[in-house]
Amino acid sequence: ETGVTQTPRHLVMGMTNKKSLKCEQHLGHNAMYWYKQSAKKPLELMFVYNFKEQTENNSVPSRFSPECPNSSHLFLHLHTLQPEDSALYLCASSQVLRGEKLFFGSGTQLSVL
Amino acid sequence: AQKITQTQPGMFVQEKEAVTLDCTYDTSDPSYGLFWYKQPSSGEMIFLIYQGSYDQQNATEGRYSLNFQKARKSANLVISASQLGDSAMYFCAMREKVGDDKIIFGKGTRLHILP
Repeated sequence: ETGVTQTPRHLVMGMTNKKSLKCEQHLGHNAMYWYKQSAKKPLELMFVYNFKEQTENNSVPSRFSPECPNSSHLFLHLHTLQPEDSALYLCASSQVLRGEKLFFGSGTQLSVL
Repeated sequence: AQKITQTQPGMFVQEKEAVTLDCTYDTSDPSYGLFWYKQPSSGEMIFLIYQGSYDQQNATEGRYSLNFQKARKSANLVISASQLGDSAMYFCAMREKVGDDKIIFGKGTRLHILP
């Protein structure tokens, strides 16, 4: 148990659906992250929130919309996705000022049909 | 340009042997941190070991050690006495500056331990 909880674990959605991924951390960290892991690419950093402010948007298409209402919760809103968006989406948290490691959730395996 | 390079896509190692997983990195900042993570088939990312750029000694955590060669920008992971449960993907990662919130990953090495 890493202290970072992601739901759902698995998600199947059509290209016209709207869904959200949820991440919650119980570690008191100040930064939260979304990473995408697909079969043919390395772990890609998508978004970073530091003290609830977005500090990184790594050229992610607008069909992915992050939301960080407080330092413990992070969402990834999904709409009109493409089949190539099928991947494992990993949430992580970190205490940035101390240069700490990332603590990862178990991930959401997303399939877009 | 790739900042973290792992040149071994896959490795096969006999159980109980030591294994070295290669990682080279690129940064111009003098203050950075290097990480290794393990990802079993179940998908979770497990932290293994950390090396700060100013750390005088190589990091060690049980059977894991990091062979840090700063001048060569190399941070290889050494697993001693490998076990079947070590079969997994291994990722090298870097926080380019202490205090920076970005951590970037290499492409990973898939390690297979043979009985």
